[in-house]
Amino acid sequence: DTAVSQTPKYLVTQMGNDKSIKCEQNLGHDTMYWYKQDSKKFLKIMFSYNNKELIINETVPNRFSPKSPDKAHLNLHINSLELGDSAVYFCASSQGYAKNIQYFGAGTRLSVL
Amino acid sequence: GQQLNQSPQSMFIQEGEDVSMNCTSSSIFNTWLWYKQDPGEGPVLLIALYKAGELTSNGRLTAQFGITRKDSFLNISASIPSDVGIYFCAGPQGGSEKLVFGKGMKLTVNP
Repeated sequence: DTAVSQTPKYLVTQMGNDKSIKCEQNLGHDTMYWYKQDSKKFLKIMFSYNNKELIINETVPNRFSPKSPDKAHLNLHINSLELGDSAVYFCASSQGYAKNIQYFGAGTRLSVL
Repeated sequence: GQQLNQSPQSMFIQEGEDVSMNCTSSSIFNTWLWYKQDPGEGPVLLIALYKAGELTSNGRLTAQFGITRKDSFLNISASIPSDVGIYFCAGPQGGSEKLVFGKGMKLTVNP
């Protein structure tokens, strides 16, 4: 069983569209994250949620809106997609007593045309 | 915020050779993490270090938490083709769960 799973794996869309990426973890963790990896492979945190509550919100355009229906799911919705949004987006999770030990999904490669 | 300087940025080695890489910070970290990312996959944790001076091994991998708490090293011995990938150091920014990552070291192993 995949511990942290993201869908879709690939997402190709036009500028201006709205899209969502879904993430689910079956590790029983209480904290989930979204990271963005750019074309130079630089990984940067975007958001984190603990038990459905927003904890970390980096300087991310408000076109990006995370939603956590329960502690096992953290979805990322992006409005009005721009060319610069093209990247690989990773979901991750961790457990409260070991928050630094984060487990990553396989990533969603978003291409905005 | 804190930044991690990782070097070298890439290495091309022959199978069987050893590899060393390091990561430095301008500020103290209380945890150092080393991740590996295979092509098309997410980062996978290799080693976690929690104490200054700590030396930890995971198979052919050995990592050390620098005494100054501002650096860490990762060594891979007797490399094999499946060691190919990008290796990242990471640490919690300001002691929080917000991880900051180095820029990665891309390893190529020639059979």
